[in-house]
Amino acid sequence: GAVVSQHPSWVICKSGTSVKIECRSLDFQATTMFWYRQFPKQSLMLMATSNEGSKATYEQGVEKDKFLINHASLTLSTLTVTSAHPEDSSFYICSARDAGTSGRGNTGELFFGEGSRLTVL
Amino acid sequence: LAKTTQPISMDSYEGQEVNITCSHNNIATNDYITWYQQFPSQGPRFIIQGYKTKVTNEVASLFIPADRKSSTLSLPRVSLSDTAVYYCLVARVLMNTGFQKLVFGTGTRLLVSP
Repeated sequence: GAVVSQHPSWVICKSGTSVKIECRSLDFQATTMFWYRQFPKQSLMLMATSNEGSKATYEQGVEKDKFLINHASLTLSTLTVTSAHPEDSSFYICSARDAGTSGRGNTGELFFGEGSRLTVL
Repeated sequence: LAKTTQPISMDSYEGQEVNITCSHNNIATNDYITWYQQFPSQGPRFIIQGYKTKVTNEVASLFIPADRKSSTLSLPRVSLSDTAVYYCLVARVLMNTGFQKLVFGTGTRLLVSP
């Protein structure tokens, strides 16, 4: 099946620094990627929808200047947590939809990355 | 997108069949029902998807009644490795662009004991 890879899988940083997380679709092209955040024992919360070549669409309550999303190619989307603080510590997960199966009424599946655990000290 | 409601947790024993029911009263005509499984510190993994009646694959079955206001994920003969969180989602399919975004509910935490 299709593979979505995230890097890094875990990162520890100091408060005030910025951290970039990459999400790559390894064997398919993804015009749309989604970024989620998950706190311990909680469900995934959708943060934003990332569209290749255009600005991301953020969910209500998510600061777009805090969480910068770039989707410069059909296989890569990045999430940058700017000026990270301890409350930003979380598990960040991306998912991607295969552009090749879209538009044919194929419900298909959304492929998820392994997640990136961010710890801000 | 339709809101889903499912039990917070369930307990089972190895070898038993587990049925997790999800309600989605506001499901729309273009919505599909999808189930994902998540292990700790991993991304969710697709289990099964359906529109109506019954769908079966190598790992699970999905039962959807005619009114589609609920669905039941059936896991036959669970093992310890099936301990995970199971999410029921309703996703709207747009013919021109494929799936719309997926919004996760609370999920059901399944614990399988020896």
